[in-house]
Amino acid sequence: AQTVTQSQPEMSVQEAETVTLSCTYDTSESDYYLFWYKQPPSRQMILVIRQEAYKQQNATENRFSVNFQKAAKSFSLKISDSQLGDAAMYFCAYRSADFGNEKLTFGTGTRLTIIP
Amino acid sequence: GAVVSQHPSWVICKSGTSVKIECRSLDFQATTMFWYRQFPKQSLMLMATSNEGSKATYEQGVEKDKFLINHASLTLSTLTVTSAHPEDSSFYICSVGSEYYEQYFGPGTRLTVT
Repeated sequence: AQTVTQSQPEMSVQEAETVTLSCTYDTSESDYYLFWYKQPPSRQMILVIRQEAYKQQNATENRFSVNFQKAAKSFSLKISDSQLGDAAMYFCAYRSADFGNEKLTFGTGTRLTIIP
Repeated sequence: GAVVSQHPSWVICKSGTSVKIECRSLDFQATTMFWYRQFPKQSLMLMATSNEGSKATYEQGVEKDKFLINHASLTLSTLTVTSAHPEDSSFYICSVGSEYYEQYFGPGTRLTVT
């Protein structure tokens, strides 16, 4: 079974600065997908970014980028120019690429606080 | 991405009664929907995978007779908590799988059993 580990329960960053959230995972599969989801106080889960394991290029979405290290099974999220609206719980998630196996496995989350 | 709604957003029920939570995919035909449970300050735990027109697949440890899931159409899945007890109080979230491999989530339903 796959596992996802987020070793930072809480992080804080000054507004406009850059912060990196860590995620590692364990799998025996070679093809899979990785995601970062954000859960603000409203508790609505919002997709931040996704990465296909077969792609070597790191995904980027505006201020959000990932550092995907497949051999190390590491998938960190970098938030640049942090904004107050970035304050939330961030969950790393894994999904197999196998057809019919669409389950997401989540990490325990990192609570990000933005300091004005 | 897909737009997913849940109803109700918050429900309070008495111990021993049953409560139904609806999950609707508003702009996407979903053959598969997922139901999660989230306790305060914890991560999401998958309860079951709901497949349109067939029986749901439950995760290990989830009582299928207590958490009844029905996926009657491509846009609607329901979760019924039967004979609810205070320990069933939690935040229940549904999601829809998309053609791009990610899942889109509903806003969640807070269940309080008194």
